[in-house]
Amino acid sequence: DTEVTQTPKHLVMGMTNKKSLKCEQHMGHRAMYWYKQKAKKPPELMFVYSYEKLSINESVPSRFSPECPNSSLLNLHLHALQPEDSALYLCASSQDLWRAKNIQYFGAGTRLSVL
Amino acid sequence: AQKITQTQPGMFVQEKEAVTLDCTYDTSDPSYGLFWYKQPSSGEMIFLIYQGSYDQQNATEGRYSLNFQKARKSANLVISASQLGDSAMYFCAMREAVISGGGADGLTFGKGTHLIIQP
Repeated sequence: DTEVTQTPKHLVMGMTNKKSLKCEQHMGHRAMYWYKQKAKKPPELMFVYSYEKLSINESVPSRFSPECPNSSLLNLHLHALQPEDSALYLCASSQDLWRAKNIQYFGAGTRLSVL
Repeated sequence: AQKITQTQPGMFVQEKEAVTLDCTYDTSDPSYGLFWYKQPSSGEMIFLIYQGSYDQQNATEGRYSLNFQKARKSANLVISASQLGDSAMYFCAMREAVISGGGADGLTFGKGTHLIIQP
């Protein structure tokens, strides 16, 4: 079973709202990732968590706040977003960061629209 | 400089024909992994195939095979006997070794190839 579940599938929010994206995996993976994908572009890495600790933050604005409460769950808290933040947000997980064959399995994504 | 180059923005292929999607990469790291993902219009990124830089043989997974030419830094995806359901965006991606510390943890993606299979 290589399932990563993301909720919600779609989200529309105003620039003053606070919302959260949720990602869950039950594969025993210890690395989890957030990517942002604009239309007709490849995904871009935002954050990496390894064993529930933030490993990489790719210079993402502070209006995006990640959280990893346990090894199965990854959240992305959103606050005061801009219209240019509208995108597909993809979550992924992998066994860990150190295997050579580090396959990342992705969820179906959350399509976010900021009005 | 781009680390992953996919030179075919779009391709039209007749059903049941074989398809080759091009990917070249750039790295000075001796240890790296190459990946192909499929992204249908629904948005999910589906892992297809992996090739490690030290793997002696080309990877195969069912109808997918990877034509790995290390000296040319090329990792083309071959889909045999294409099906209508193969219509999607295809991304080539690379992960460099953790040891060299060069953006090692996430995947670096190419711009993708939009494949359309025609009946």
